[in-house]
Amino acid sequence: DSGVTQTPKHLITATGQRVTLRCSPRSGDLSVYWYQQSLDQGLQFLIHYYNGEERAKGNILERFSAQQFPDLHSELNLSSLELGDSALYFCASRGAGTEAFFGQGTRLTVV
Amino acid sequence: AQSVTQLGSHVSVSEGALVLLRCNYSSSVPPYLFWYVQYPNQGLQLLLKYTSAATLVKGINGFEAEFKKSETSFHLTKPSAHMSDAAEYFCAVSEGGKVGNQFYFGTGTSLTVIP
Repeated sequence: DSGVTQTPKHLITATGQRVTLRCSPRSGDLSVYWYQQSLDQGLQFLIHYYNGEERAKGNILERFSAQQFPDLHSELNLSSLELGDSALYFCASRGAGTEAFFGQGTRLTVV
Repeated sequence: AQSVTQLGSHVSVSEGALVLLRCNYSSSVPPYLFWYVQYPNQGLQLLLKYTSAATLVKGINGFEAEFKKSETSFHLTKPSAHMSDAAEYFCAVSEGGKVGNQFYFGTGTSLTVIP
């Protein structure tokens, strides 16, 4: 158990809909990273938050947004969903140590 | 800027044979380097890390990696493959250990172990 909790584990939704993925980092970890993993694109970095502030953006679509709350949990919002958004979405947290700890992921299926 | 290149998206080895997964990095500052493993339908799990101490790093499940600055490499090895080693392996680089720093992942190498 990495200590990083992601909910829900599975999500099935229709095209055009909006969903919210939640990540609770390890206790005290200030950094949260979001990644998208699909078969054809591998592990893609989406966005990084540090202590409530956006630190870096990767290949994140404009339809996607994220935030980190004062209690340090983070949410990834995906809107106007398309079939191609079907993927595994991971969050990872990092604290004072060197490595990142990953959650088990949310598997999103858009039908 | 930092980046990671993993040579070989698919590697197959026989059970009991040497495992060698290649990773080359690019970094303008002394890097921290990591290998993660992902089993089917699971998240990424840290195998081992290099953080500027010993260049030969030992990890879990018998894996080890050697940091070679002159070759900008951090290849992952295991002397004898086991069926349970079949998984996806990711190499990652970070700009030192400062909080708030980025992680850059390679595209991954899928390891198949043939009985």
